[in-house]
Amino acid sequence: QKEVEQDPGPLSVPEGAIVSLNCTYSNSAFQYFMWYRQYSRKGPELLMYTYSSGNKEDGRFTAQVDKSSKYISLFIRDSQPSDSATYLCAMPSGGSNYKLTFGKGTLLTVNP
Amino acid sequence: EADIYQTPRYLVIGTGKKITLECSQTMGHDKMYWYQQDPGMELHLIHYSYGVNSTEKGDLSSESTVSRIRTEHFPLTLESARPSHTSQYLCASQTSGRGKNIQYFGAGTRLSVL
Repeated sequence: QKEVEQDPGPLSVPEGAIVSLNCTYSNSAFQYFMWYRQYSRKGPELLMYTYSSGNKEDGRFTAQVDKSSKYISLFIRDSQPSDSATYLCAMPSGGSNYKLTFGKGTLLTVNP
Repeated sequence: EADIYQTPRYLVIGTGKKITLECSQTMGHDKMYWYQQDPGMELHLIHYSYGVNSTEKGDLSSESTVSRIRTEHFPLTLESARPSHTSQYLCASQTSGRGKNIQYFGAGTRLSVL
């Protein structure tokens, strides 16, 4: 079983829709989780960082963690065409705080 | 905003050539990483370094080599490029401070070997 699983999509929504992106993980010891956003032909950039104990909201973005189900979500409210990108979840890898395991990424397209 | 730079951004080269992909960061981060990413696929760690003169192979086997002679510089070298090396190569760095273990990425080098 892979440490991190993410549905690669692709996901296509109309502008203004609420988007839900999800990852599951296998290691219950994970203490923090990250969401990266990657625009086409660019490197990933950190979007959200959340600890396992709670949710976090930043503008139109909300990151949630469900420890009992080993499930994390990223919600985007009022989605915009500029949100079109690949979204990757990331978690510490193999007991190390210095290596990350990334999900495959979900390609999101927001249509105007 | 992260200050990590990769050159070249795009490289098209013939089989058998030796190439070096450059990566530099100005944040003083101890830890640096190289990932390989094919289109629509996940990132695979191929090399990492936790400091000067320290390099390790990552989870994905790679024919490339790296060096870390200076903190800010982490070049990746392919001695003899092959078409199977065609991919995007991403460099990242991470602070050694306690707390958030965030990796900052460069814009990547897209390599095509003909």
